Amino acid sequence: QVQLVESGGGVVQPGGSLRLSCAASGFTFSSYGMHWVRQAPGKGLEWVAFIRYDGSNKYYADSVKGRFTISRDNSKNTLYLQMNSLRAEDTAVYYCAKDARLWFGELLLDYWGQGTLVTVSS
Amino acid sequence: DIQMTQSPSSLSASVGDRVTITCRASQSISSYLNWYQQKPGKAPKLLIYAASSLQSGVPSRFSGSGSGTDFTLTISSLQPEDFATYYCQQSYSTPPTFGPGTKVDIK
Repeated sequence: QVQLVESGGGVVQPGGSLRLSCAASGFTFSSYGMHWVRQAPGKGLEWVAFIRYDGSNKYYADSVKGRFTISRDNSKNTLYLQMNSLRAEDTAVYYCAKDARLWFGELLLDYWGQGTLVTVSS
Repeated sequence: DIQMTQSPSSLSASVGDRVTITCRASQSISSYLNWYQQKPGKAPKLLIYAASSLQSGVPSRFSGSGSGTDFTLTISSLQPEDFATYYCQQSYSTPPTFGPGTKVDIK
């Protein structure tokens, strides 16, 4: 069955950096686009970024553009989110999610990981 | 960006009740509308995609309808395990956007 396991969350000071990882199993990782979605404490869901199956195209929310970088290593079945210049408002649970459609994606998230908490605080 | 709204923001219902949640898009999104269920401390789960298609494994008491800008999620007979927050999401264009959520709790 599909499994997505995030790691790398923690407490970081404003202006700091953190790299999240998402280990995927149970499906052909290299054939699907992948997303990051976050949820601030007590708030709703906010899409963060998407990467196509081969890493050829990447898309970001305006709120993280220029600070966050999504990437993937298909040889390791792992998705990443490099987060730089972190702000208090980036505090959230970060979920990785699989896109439902092969290859290019259709912005439909059919499987989600359990999430990893990022806290930005001094 | 396409803005998504939901109503109500919360509701109280009893087991066995019929529950309807509405989602509206700021522009036409055809049938590119999806519904997710999230329980406290858990990841969201896909329930309905393409406005009315039931995701595999989801009970048939869940149904979706609508197109264009107005959509509905219906739970025909609320079960104890259905108490959760429900989010709509448009997959018509990037960035995909979510509604603010509707919390369904026990009356």
